[in-house]
Amino acid sequence: SQQGEEDPQALSIQEGENATMNCSYKTSINNLQWYRQNSGRGLVHLILIRSNEREKHSGRLRVTLDTSKKSSSLLITASRAADTASYFCATLPVLRMRFGAGTRLTVKP
Amino acid sequence: DTEVTQTPKHLVMGMTNKKSLKCEQHMGHRAMYWYKQKAKKPPELMFVYSYEKLSINESVPSRFSPECPNSSLLNLHLHALQPEDSALYLCASSQVRGALAKNIQYFGAGTRLSVL
Repeated sequence: SQQGEEDPQALSIQEGENATMNCSYKTSINNLQWYRQNSGRGLVHLILIRSNEREKHSGRLRVTLDTSKKSSSLLITASRAADTASYFCATLPVLRMRFGAGTRLTVKP
Repeated sequence: DTEVTQTPKHLVMGMTNKKSLKCEQHMGHRAMYWYKQKAKKPPELMFVYSYEKLSINESVPSRFSPECPNSSLLNLHLHALQPEDSALYLCASSQVRGALAKNIQYFGAGTRLSVL
């Protein structure tokens, strides 16, 4: 079964706009990760946030974590056409990682 | 080198064929994974090898047979597959344990499998 559920399932925006994706999970976690997948390719790790962190930044990415609500959000600022991909949250342990349903982001030039 | 290499990239096979998918990494990772991914769905964990031993089998049908010949290689042997097994098969690797920052999986580009 899937640990996390993302919303929205699909998001279409114009280049330069911000994109926000949300993830909810069901069980207690030690940390949460976000991965990106270009169409038909492998997943690429984007960012990891620990359970005792509330916010983390990496370049144009901002991740928040609310353990009381069992939810996380990924914000991509100043989006580019190259950001078009599917984005998945994932919960550990690493040997049994569970991925959320994913958000398909389309950034129009 | 953070690359996980999967071969072949594409595979078409009949239901009576036997084929194998291959995965290789040289990052010194001692955990390797097979995932199955259907279109517009997240990856689903199939098998996990830890220190070359099968540690997790997510109730995968026996027509899928994993093998880990050494710490760098992972195979998935396929036999008598069904059309519903058509999917993208992803291999990944990671550290088994360590600092949280190392709990990251590195994925190959996948093998697109079509079963006719």
